[in-house]
Amino acid sequence: QSVLTQPPSASGTPGQRVHISCSGSTSNIGSNPVTWYQQLPGRAPKLLMYRNNYRPSWVPDRFSGSNSGTSASLAISGLQAEDEADYYCAAWDDSLNGYVFGTGTKVTVL
Amino acid sequence: EVQLLESGGGSVHPGGSLRLSCAASGFTFSNYAMSWVRQAPGKGLEWVSAISGSGGTTYYADSEKGRWTISRDNNENTVYLQMTSLRAEDTAMYFCVKWSSTRPNHYILGSTLGLDDWGQGTLVTVSS
Repeated sequence: QSVLTQPPSASGTPGQRVHISCSGSTSNIGSNPVTWYQQLPGRAPKLLMYRNNYRPSWVPDRFSGSNSGTSASLAISGLQAEDEADYYCAAWDDSLNGYVFGTGTKVTVL
Repeated sequence: EVQLLESGGGSVHPGGSLRLSCAASGFTFSNYAMSWVRQAPGKGLEWVSAISGSGGTTYYADSEKGRWTISRDNNENTVYLQMTSLRAEDTAMYFCVKWSSTRPNHYILGSTLGLDDWGQGTLVTVSS
């Protein structure tokens, strides 16, 4: 079962800004950096954001990450049709000695 | 280019066993920890297991402890997941994934501390 909690869905029109929250605890987000993954329909997930707010070179700067206490957030500004995907947060959990994923958020571009 | 090619999935009856394999290429295999992540149909991602680059340390999600075994052959650049006592709820796509350093959550300069590269997955169906 997922230890990190995300809203099941988020949506916006092209050009709008969308936020996705990720709530955890002191043993995961409160102690370790958060990674975000993007899963396009029918595809394997890809690492989108790492160590809370760093982007791989393929990710446009419309994507940004933040972290505060036991919560993290992913923001997508200037929403585009190609951003329609499922997004997952994840972090190492020191109590479980394992990796935990968020429940996932489906982003829809209206 | 990193490539991870899973195999070994298929249909099995409850209580049965399967061994998944993941052939890796494009990087120095023994320098990186590896994991298996699964996704049930229409559901979210679930981390299953991890193994350090040397193979000396293994990690499991609570639901798999005692049932499954992760291992690796650094001479063959392959990681395995031996699954026993399979249940209907184990039905999922199983992804082979590469970590960013020799141990999960271990920082080295430039590492992401995440799952950097993913295979396309192999489907496991447990049904009577």
